[in-house]
Amino acid sequence: DIQLTQSPSSVSASVGDRVTITCRASQGIRTYLGWYQQKPGKAPKLLIYGASSLQSGVPSRFSGSGSGTDFTLTISSLQPEDFATYYCQQGNSFPRTFGGGTKVDFK
Amino acid sequence: QVQLQESGPGLVKPSETLSLTCIVSGGSVNTGSYYWSWIRQPPGKALEWIGCIYYTGSADYNPSLKSRVTISIDTSKNQFSLKLNSLTAADTAVYYCARERTMLRGVFYGVDVWGQGTTVTVSS
Repeated sequence: DIQLTQSPSSVSASVGDRVTITCRASQGIRTYLGWYQQKPGKAPKLLIYGASSLQSGVPSRFSGSGSGTDFTLTISSLQPEDFATYYCQQGNSFPRTFGGGTKVDFK
Repeated sequence: QVQLQESGPGLVKPSETLSLTCIVSGGSVNTGSYYWSWIRQPPGKALEWIGCIYYTGSADYNPSLKSRVTISIDTSKNQFSLKLNSLTAADTAVYYCARERTMLRGVFYGVDVWGQGTTVTVSS
């Protein structure tokens, strides 16, 4: 199985801050990576697919980059509605796997 | 637009079998464009992929659950289902059904549609 390691596991930030989350794969997965946002009590929401493509309807302050084993999700200017937990997922092979999550909370 | 809705019991006894169904509306499961998936999340923990099924009936499973899980699809009812046997407290989780678009031109499109999730508690 491909393991995904996210860092940090949590980050405290303020509105307007730039936030960067990293996802590292245990082996190369090309650009077969997605990023999700999950708020408490809700289903995850797809933000980024193909490592860097913005899902329809997602604000442009979200961006993704990377290929191979190292990937990044960036929120350019954190908004109040962005406080949530973020997960990466690989689509290179079955079984699909998720990272351990990164919680973004108020500083 | 496509909507997914999980149905099934909220409380199951240890050693018993969990049966969940995902009803798909606004679209058809009988298409090669998607994998139909089950994903779960134990309380306070990360997402865990359980498995998925293609419209042909071909399924893939998480090796950690493979001996206990079966996913099936019923194209006539436009739904797919999960069975997980030999339940323990560790299977207590929110269970999501979801849709993953199959890769096209080398692009992983991710899981773009999720059900609202159903909470399953394993307890006597």
